[in-house]
Amino acid sequence: SQQGEEDPQALSIQEGENATMNCSYKTSINNLQWYRQNSGRGLVHLILIRSNEREKHSGRLRVTLDTSKKSSSLLITASRAADTASYFCATGRNTPLVFGKGTRLSVIA
Amino acid sequence: NAGVMQNPRHLVRRRGQEARLRCSPMKGHSHVYWYRQLPEEGLKFMVYLQKENIIDESGMPKERFSAEFPKEGPSILRIQQVVRGDSAAYFCASSPARAQYSGANVLTFGAGSRLTVL
Repeated sequence: SQQGEEDPQALSIQEGENATMNCSYKTSINNLQWYRQNSGRGLVHLILIRSNEREKHSGRLRVTLDTSKKSSSLLITASRAADTASYFCATGRNTPLVFGKGTRLSVIA
Repeated sequence: NAGVMQNPRHLVRRRGQEARLRCSPMKGHSHVYWYRQLPEEGLKFMVYLQKENIIDESGMPKERFSAEFPKEGPSILRIQQVVRGDSAAYFCASSPARAQYSGANVLTFGAGSRLTVL
């Protein structure tokens, strides 16, 4: 299985702090994607990092990828209450995307 | 420019009834994916379709579940003789036809259909 596993399962931080979530996967990948899900809503794509990239930025998001360790991290800087959501990594290589169970992030104002 | 449209948003069925969930992909997208999410769980892949063609149904239960994406109209996920264990949120996603599998594509998700089986 190429399922990503996020860590930690839940994370609670104060507004303004940074939040770091990790994802590990099992087999080789073409790319790795991160999605966000607000409570009761569908998933929204955040960022895609290709297997030949090591780091990527998008606004307050920073994603790293270490293919030798089969792991990725998502860093959200200067968190806001609106960042409260579940975050999922997803992987796929010539298969439909496979999602992990996610990290539930709570940002306390 | 509407995104992925799913309906109904909420559906309540009694055990043994049928549930039909509909999904209209984003404009310009020709690939549709169905995922199921149980409470506090991630998304589990069910089926991947193009118009009039099932590409991958490896995640579909062997019985009671079926999916179609006709030439005209939305994709439909059909669950016959529902049981309480079918209660979940069912998400549809779509992608453009740039690659055979979504591993190279970003998925656009609908808001989901929440099925409750009494």
